[in-house]
Amino acid sequence: SQKIEQNSEALNIQEGKTATLTCNYTNYSPAYLQWYRQDPGRGPVFLLLIRENEKEKRKERLKVTFDTTLKQSLFHITASQPADSATYLCVTPGSARQLTFGSGTQLTVLP
Amino acid sequence: EAQVTQNPRYLITVTGKKLTVTCSQNMNHEYMSWYRQDPGLGLRQIYYSMNVEVTDKGDVPEGYKVSRKEKRNFPLILESPSPNQTSLYFCASTGTSGRGHSGELFFGEGSRLTVL
Repeated sequence: SQKIEQNSEALNIQEGKTATLTCNYTNYSPAYLQWYRQDPGRGPVFLLLIRENEKEKRKERLKVTFDTTLKQSLFHITASQPADSATYLCVTPGSARQLTFGSGTQLTVLP
Repeated sequence: EAQVTQNPRYLITVTGKKLTVTCSQNMNHEYMSWYRQDPGLGLRQIYYSMNVEVTDKGDVPEGYKVSRKEKRNFPLILESPSPNQTSLYFCASTGTSGRGHSGELFFGEGSRLTVL
């Protein structure tokens, strides 16, 4: 079955810098990959979807890349702000229409 | 307002006492699913449903039941709760395209369950 590994449990960066989060999958290349943001005690909120035939997707200060050779997706937040502090989840479709979530990376943007 | 509503948001119960967590969505979505979230383990799928009367097991279905009699509702049933089912539960839904499920998931606010 598909497994997802997100690079680190916690990432601290300085305000204004670019945060880069990594999502690695272990088996087959998924048809798409999604990124979600989750605040403590709240449900995840969808941010971006990137398909296997897309190299890059952007939305405002967010950018996602998808490298099927490396089996990796990178999630970037440029000009980061303290309000960007949250846990970010990577999600891919697994087998039989299930969805597989990474355990998340907790991002803290320091003022 | 488009939303997924779960109830109850918080519940403390005792081992063996049957309980149901309700989930309702107002977006006419075909796909609905239940997840549990535990520290260090992330979100794990319990059950999902592609449409009315169509349900399937996720990664951790043991101890849970679901039903999908109406499109908008997808209740999660714990027939005989045990302490290892203490967790934060999320319901989610999405519409489906002709190529299958690929849309964004809309999550409920979560139901924090404690089984003593």
